[in-house]
Amino acid sequence: GDSVTQMEGPVTLSEEACLTINCTYTATGYPSLFWYVQYPGEGLQLLLKATKADDKGSNKGFEATYRKETTSFHLEKGSVQVSDSAVYFCALSDLKGAQKLVFGQGTRLTINP
Amino acid sequence: ETGVTQSPTHLIKTRGQQVTLRCSSQSGHNTVSWYQQALGQGPQFIFQYYREEENGRGNFPPRFSGLQFPNYSSELNVNALELDDSALYLCASSRGLAGNNEQFFGPGTRLTVL
Repeated sequence: GDSVTQMEGPVTLSEEACLTINCTYTATGYPSLFWYVQYPGEGLQLLLKATKADDKGSNKGFEATYRKETTSFHLEKGSVQVSDSAVYFCALSDLKGAQKLVFGQGTRLTINP
Repeated sequence: ETGVTQSPTHLIKTRGQQVTLRCSSQSGHNTVSWYQQALGQGPQFIFQYYREEENGRGNFPPRFSGLQFPNYSSELNVNALELDDSALYLCASSRGLAGNNEQFFGPGTRLTVL
């Protein structure tokens, strides 16, 4: 079945450092890809998405490009802030049947001032 | 616009008991999905309701059941609770069924089974 594999955490960086969180997927067909963020004590929020190959999703300085040839959707940010500390989930949505999301295991990110 | 709300926030039950969790979808949304998130893991799809009908189910036993009401709110029922059912239960609503549609998540219900 479909699956998502994320970079193991936790990840700790200093403020203004560059961030990359790796995500690869296995799916039949052409899924849509998402990054969700979960701040402490809150529900999941959509950070960005891409619906077809070579699409780039972006939001709040974060970017990710849908790479069909490498089945990847890595999350990047050029300069992280303390407020970016959260758990990040990569997910795919199969377009067959239920509109279910398949999530990776999550990567906890901590940014130190 | 009111977002997705869930109740209760926290719940403690003992093994063998039954529990009902509730979710109010965002205004204008007719699809509700439920997910189970164990500690330190990503959410796992339980099932989805679209216009009051079940529209897909994940790898969960029949003691996990649900309902969707005419106002598109939803319930998740779990019978014969087991220790492994301890988790954060997330509800998400969306407009329609297309896989590209954003799912809006509630804050979750934290269930502890003792």
